[in-house]
Amino acid sequence: ETVLTQSPAILSLSPGERVTLSCRASQSLNTRKLVWYQQKPGQAPRLLIYGTSSRATGIPDRFSGSGSGTDFTLTISRLEPEDFAVYYCQQYGSSPLTFGGGTKVEIK
Amino acid sequence: QVRLQESGPGLVKPSETLSLTCSVSGGSISSFYWNWIRLPPGKGLEWIGYTHHTGATNYNPSLKSRVTTSVDTSKNQISLRLSSVSAADTAIYYCAKWSESIEAFDIWGQGTMVTVSS
Repeated sequence: ETVLTQSPAILSLSPGERVTLSCRASQSLNTRKLVWYQQKPGQAPRLLIYGTSSRATGIPDRFSGSGSGTDFTLTISRLEPEDFAVYYCQQYGSSPLTFGGGTKVEIK
Repeated sequence: QVRLQESGPGLVKPSETLSLTCSVSGGSISSFYWNWIRLPPGKGLEWIGYTHHTGATNYNPSLKSRVTTSVDTSKNQISLRLSSVSAADTAIYYCAKWSESIEAFDIWGQGTMVTVSS
């Protein structure tokens, strides 16, 4: 099983700041197999980034993804009030499909 | 646009079987891989498994011995059964559509909370 470790677990930030979230895999992944989701309280997860760096339909360009091998990053260039949420990475390079433990981005 | 809606009992007794349904609207169920994913309180997302209208299934090994999923094309519904539940199965349960073109879950239901308690 590929374990995804997200860090930090919690980030306290202010609107307008730049955010970098980390997702580290226990084994090397094909970049097509790494995905990011955003989840707000009481809502279903929403697809943000697929294939490491491709934005899903309707996702603003302040969200970007990068990485390769075992290290992947989600960057929010400038935090908007609606971006405070939990972010999960997910892999499907090997079965079973797994998610990271999530990073909560909270208002400072 | 495909929409998903989960339904089922919100309370299940320990050792009993959890049964949920996901209704698919706005598109054909006879395509795509339909997945179940759960979010336990205070924890991260956990993939349960998928089912396809052809009958193909794939389950998380951690749950495989207790999980059954199926597709009812006549009702446009997907079902999940999880047997011998315990408090550890308390979670929000989501159904989600897997997009093979982008290899991601592109559509999710709103989720349904299931509590396991006597």
